[in-house]
Amino acid sequence: DTAVSQTPKYLVTQMGNDKSIKCEQNLGHDTMYWYKQDSKKFLKIMFSYNNKELIINETVPNRFSPKSPDKAHLNLHINSLELGDSAVYFCASSQDVSGSSLPGELFFGEGSRLTVL
Amino acid sequence: AQTVTQSQPEMSVQEAETVTLSCTYDTSESDYYLFWYKQPPSRQMILVIRQEAYKQQNATENRFSVNFQKAAKSFSLKISDSQLGDAAMYFCAYRVMYSGGGADGLTFGKGTHLIIQP
Repeated sequence: DTAVSQTPKYLVTQMGNDKSIKCEQNLGHDTMYWYKQDSKKFLKIMFSYNNKELIINETVPNRFSPKSPDKAHLNLHINSLELGDSAVYFCASSQDVSGSSLPGELFFGEGSRLTVL
Repeated sequence: AQTVTQSQPEMSVQEAETVTLSCTYDTSESDYYLFWYKQPPSRQMILVIRQEAYKQQNATENRFSVNFQKAAKSFSLKISDSQLGDAAMYFCAYRVMYSGGGADGLTFGKGTHLIIQP
């Protein structure tokens, strides 16, 4: 069983379209994240949710909107896609309650490669 | 703001040799974790090793070990007996943990591309 799964793995679309990436974790973690990895491989956090509540919201365009229907799911919707949105988007989760076996570690999904033409 | 610096964009090592990847970080926090993640061509992010800032003893995981110098804010990764499967991007990362149980996300360095020469 995949611990953190993202769909789709690959997404090719035209500029101006709206697209969504879905993420699910079966680890029972209370915190989920979206990271963007650009063409130079730099990883930067975009959003973080803890028990469905937004706790980290970095400076990203308003066209990006996360949504967490429950603590096991965190989806990313992108409106009016631009060329610069082309990247690999990683979902991750962590369990940060004291007493957990490995506090602090993030578990990553396999990434979703978005290509905007 | 916390920053993580990896000064080596690319490193190359002969198979079976030892290589050290450097990482420095800047923080005013006292309680934090440091990580090395590996990203092979499959692009999966894999945890290699982690270090709690309050622990003086350097973490080790089989062929992987760290040299954690808290005062110098340095966290290098040593890979012994390098294997072809070690070829990947290696990212140093930092994370603040708060006493109330919350935490920031991971802050990553820009990565070091490790090449293993057969």
